[in-house]
This record gives sequence, C-alpha cells and structure tokens, in this order.
Amino acid sequence: RKEVEQDPGPFNVPEGATVAFNCTYSNSASQSFFWYRQDCRKEPKLLMSVYSSGNEDGRFTAQLNRASQYISLLIRDSKLSDSATYLCVVSPYNQGGKLIFGQGTELSVKP
Amino acid sequence: EAGVTQFPSHSVIEKGQTVTLRCDPISGHDNLYWYRRVMGKEIKFLLHFVKESKQDESGMPNNRFLAERTGGTYSTLKVQPAELEDSGVYFCASRGLASSDEQFFGPGTRLTVL
Repeated sequence: RKEVEQDPGPFNVPEGATVAFNCTYSNSASQSFFWYRQDCRKEPKLLMSVYSSGNEDGRFTAQLNRASQYISLLIRDSKLSDSATYLCVVSPYNQGGKLIFGQGTELSVKP
Repeated sequence: EAGVTQFPSHSVIEKGQTVTLRCDPISGHDNLYWYRRVMGKEIKFLLHFVKESKQDESGMPNNRFLAERTGGTYSTLKVQPAELEDSGVYFCASRGLASSDEQFFGPGTRLTVL
C-alpha cells in the first residue's frame, strides 16, 4: 500500500468550476502536510501547507483531518492556468524534513 | 536570489556506463535532499544531507548509487554502473535550517539509460 494515495485523475473541468482533490496517508506519525503543484516537465513547487484548522489562500482551500488521515484541496473559480498536477505530500515526524509524495492528481481546465 | 540548480538537464547513457548528477542548493541552505521520479510512479526520497553529513540515506536503491556533498555546498549523485531501471527524473531540493522552512526544488535531471 502506498504511503500517500491520490486519485490520479485526470480531472477535466470547465473554467470557473470548483474542483476538489482528496488524499489519504497511512503513517499516523506524519507531522507536516502540503500540496505541491507540478507543471509538465517542471519541478514541484509548494502551493500551500495544510493545517488542522484548515487554511485558505485566495481561491485555494486546504483541509486536514488527522483522525481520518485525510487531506483535501478545493479550488474555486478554476482558471486555465490552474492546469497542472497537484501532489499531496506529507513529512513524517522527526525524519529530517523528508517528503513523502502521492502520485499526483492531474487537472485540466478547459475554456 | 538564485534557486536550486541541477546539471545536466538531460543525460542519455547506455547500460553499464557511469553518470554523475550535480546539484547546487540555494546559498546558505544546510539541508539538501535528492528525490527521484520513475515513469508512472510517485516522486520518492533518496537521501538527505545536513551540510556535508548524510542524515538519512534510507531511500537509496542500492550500492550503485553514491551521493557526496564535500564541503557542504554542492552535491553529486553518481550512478555506477547504470541500469535500465535507473531511468527517471532526479530532483534535488534544499531547505534552510528551520524545520518549518520550505523545500525548494531544482528543475531536475532527466536520465535515460538505454
């Protein structure tokens, strides 16, 4: 079983749509949680950290449920430029900050 | 400020040959990580340096892989001899001292072993 599981998609949505991605992780000792964005043939870039209280950055909202070991990302009012692969990432406690990646969810926003 | 740089951007070699990948982290970043993405799979951790010391090399696939960070600045990852299954994209990332600091990734080296 993978440590971080995501639906690979692809998610094909029209501009302006709201789309939600989910992710589960298996290691209950995971300490930090992130969503990264990766454009085709580029490096991953941090989109946002995820906190138990939930956090929002513009059109993006991330949520963490530690009891269910579940992380979500909501994108409102999708733009063409949101098309990318979204990586769910966890960092285990006391392991030097190493990152454990999910396989990624591909999003394609169409006009 | 310059980001993480990696060299080469692409490398095509034959099975059995040796390849050395280089990573230059952001200046002042003590933490340096290597990751690899094999086609169709998730990005996987290989190892972690703090300055010149290997903190965690639990992700290194086997003893054909050797990573170094002499002087605590740039790092190299050597694959010798390369096998077909070593093909993939090798990413380097660096992070500052605080555990809450963001990891910044380099553009990756795309390695193809024929």
